[in-house]
Amino acid sequence: DQQVKQNSPSLSVQEGRISILNCDYTNSMFDYFLWYKKYPAEGPTFLISISSIKDKNEDGRFTVFLNKSAKHLSLHIVPSQPGDSAVYFCAASLLTQGGSEKLVFGKGMKLTVNP
Amino acid sequence: DTGVSQDPRHKITKRGQNVTFRCDPISEHNRLYWYRQTLGQGPEFLTYFQNEAQLEKSRLLSDRFSAERPKGSFSTLEIQRTEQGDSAMYLCASSSGTSRTLGYTFGSGTRLTVV
Repeated sequence: DQQVKQNSPSLSVQEGRISILNCDYTNSMFDYFLWYKKYPAEGPTFLISISSIKDKNEDGRFTVFLNKSAKHLSLHIVPSQPGDSAVYFCAASLLTQGGSEKLVFGKGMKLTVNP
Repeated sequence: DTGVSQDPRHKITKRGQNVTFRCDPISEHNRLYWYRQTLGQGPEFLTYFQNEAQLEKSRLLSDRFSAERPKGSFSTLEIQRTEQGDSAMYLCASSSGTSRTLGYTFGSGTRLTVV
């Protein structure tokens, strides 16, 4: 049972254009959502997060939008740069009884930004 | 701050052998997580430590797996009697305080291949 879904395995965009990465979730108990970027042979790197009580969070070229009623979030990258080419993971945070801030990840989406 | 270090980077072992991985978190981080990532999937939560206490274990962590964090510093993950299904990337992450807004810091992982 996949609680966090990234339905598109890949996306290719031209440099300077907008990249839109989508993510859907099923568990209403998630209260934070995060995006991670991963380059080959490296661990995931934190990019941006959003609380479930907000609908938008912006950090430079990166903006995350949350539609709680639709259980959908998206990451916008504007303008896209070749260095943004990586695998992007959507993750949802759950505070467990044990006190851990456990992350549930989607399968990831490979973004390619062409010069 | 040298980030989260994991050792070894790669490990090839024969089925039935025991293996041990080490993680050195960022020194001031009191929270430590282990995740496992298989091909085409996102990372999956394995276990969580706050200081030296192991507060949560996933059902993925069978009795062949054991993790420790003596003295609340580095952590080890041991897999006994390895099986081919254990082949994966094992990721360690650490954080201080809340990771929901700032995310974890992941290491580069240990890639285990069981032959």
